[in-house]
Amino acid sequence: RKEVEQDPGPFNVPEGATVAFNCTYSNSASQSFFWYRQDCRKEPKLLMSVYSSGNEDGRFTAQLNRASQYISLLIRDSKLSDSATYLCVVNVDMRFGAGTRLTVKP
Amino acid sequence: DVKVTQSSRYLVKRTGEKVFLECVQDMDHENMFWYRQDPGLGLRLIYFSYDVKMKEKGDIPEGYSVSREKKERFSLILESASTNQTSMYLCASSLPQGHNEKLFFGSGTQLSVL
Repeated sequence: RKEVEQDPGPFNVPEGATVAFNCTYSNSASQSFFWYRQDCRKEPKLLMSVYSSGNEDGRFTAQLNRASQYISLLIRDSKLSDSATYLCVVNVDMRFGAGTRLTVKP
Repeated sequence: DVKVTQSSRYLVKRTGEKVFLECVQDMDHENMFWYRQDPGLGLRLIYFSYDVKMKEKGDIPEGYSVSREKKERFSLILESASTNQTSMYLCASSLPQGHNEKLFFGSGTQLSVL
């Protein structure tokens, strides 16, 4: 089993839709979790950290479920500019999921 | 802003050549990482380092080695390049665990081995 697994998608959604991605991890000792966004032919950039209590940043909500060992990212009111690949990262040694491709269509 | 600089954006090498990919960060980060990214496979960890002269194997270290002689520089070495090492290589740095260890990436090196 891979240490970090994501549904690769692609997710094709209309503008305004709500979409959610999950990321499962195998190391129960993991302490830090992050979501990154990667645009085509660009390097990944941090979207948000994931805190134990869950956290929200505008239209984006990240949650952690330690019992089931997964993190989630919820995007509300999708915009065309949200089209990208979303990658989860789990510490200790910063392993990435394979990424989930999102395309938001008019 | 943290800056992570990779020496080349595009590189073309021949099979059997020794290849050096250089990465420099300017924020005094302890941790540095090398990944490769291939379509459908995401980012795979090659090697990482938590301190000068320290290195740890990631998931796919075969065919690669690294060097960390100075804190700011982490070099990836392909001892004898092969065509299956054609890929996008990404370097990243971060603070230590427990210190908001988000990753900062360089802009990547697209390596083609012919």
